[in-house]
Amino acid sequence: QSALTQPASVSGSPGQSITISCTGTSSDVGSYNLVSWYQQHPGKAPKLMIYEVSKRPSGVSNRFSGSKSGNTASLTISGLQAEDEADYYCCSYAGSSTLVFGTGTKVTVL
Amino acid sequence: QVQLQESGPGLVKPSETLSLTCTVSGGSISSYYWSWIRQPPGKGLEWIGYIYYSGSTNYNPSLKSRVTISVDTSKNQFSLKLSSVTAADTAVYYCAGELMATIYYWGQGTLVTVSS
Repeated sequence: QSALTQPASVSGSPGQSITISCTGTSSDVGSYNLVSWYQQHPGKAPKLMIYEVSKRPSGVSNRFSGSKSGNTASLTISGLQAEDEADYYCCSYAGSSTLVFGTGTKVTVL
Repeated sequence: QVQLQESGPGLVKPSETLSLTCTVSGGSISSYYWSWIRQPPGKGLEWIGYIYYSGSTNYNPSLKSRVTISVDTSKNQFSLKLSSVTAADTAVYYCAGELMATIYYWGQGTLVTVSS
């Protein structure tokens, strides 16, 4: 069970859109529509942003959206804002009732 | 709104057993799978395992030989034991509420340092 692969960092200017990829295998991301995304500010607990690939919890801005193609899931942040600067982690069901997280991506707002 | 609070020693000696407890409030302990997740300083998240209120458990294969998660429904608590710890087990440990492979609720996290 290896960690899902994410880019170490992604950056964008305010108002721009950015996309974070999350690459797994046919044993996790590719087999289940059970990918979630979490935002983590320094010193804080992660916060759920997207679940089941593309669903948004109540209270999460519609600037956040998720998708999946094959073994790769993606999180897109549109209309980038200063408050979006944080670490982002994907997570997938990996079979046999286990979960696997991504390596994490640091988003910087220029 | 479900709230989770971790408690336990912040310092554990190498080769000893790390023990943490999570208290669940604001919701029924039978509504979710209760998980432990850890994050070494400056690193990413790692899922440790979960327990259901019935007592059924599942663990990360990489930690399975050292992990035990238990539940006390009368106290609305669940606990983590990690044996034979080393410096590599130094991390912030989060308790969490999970459903359908989604972590809906997180505790604030507690730093456990393994050092003599």
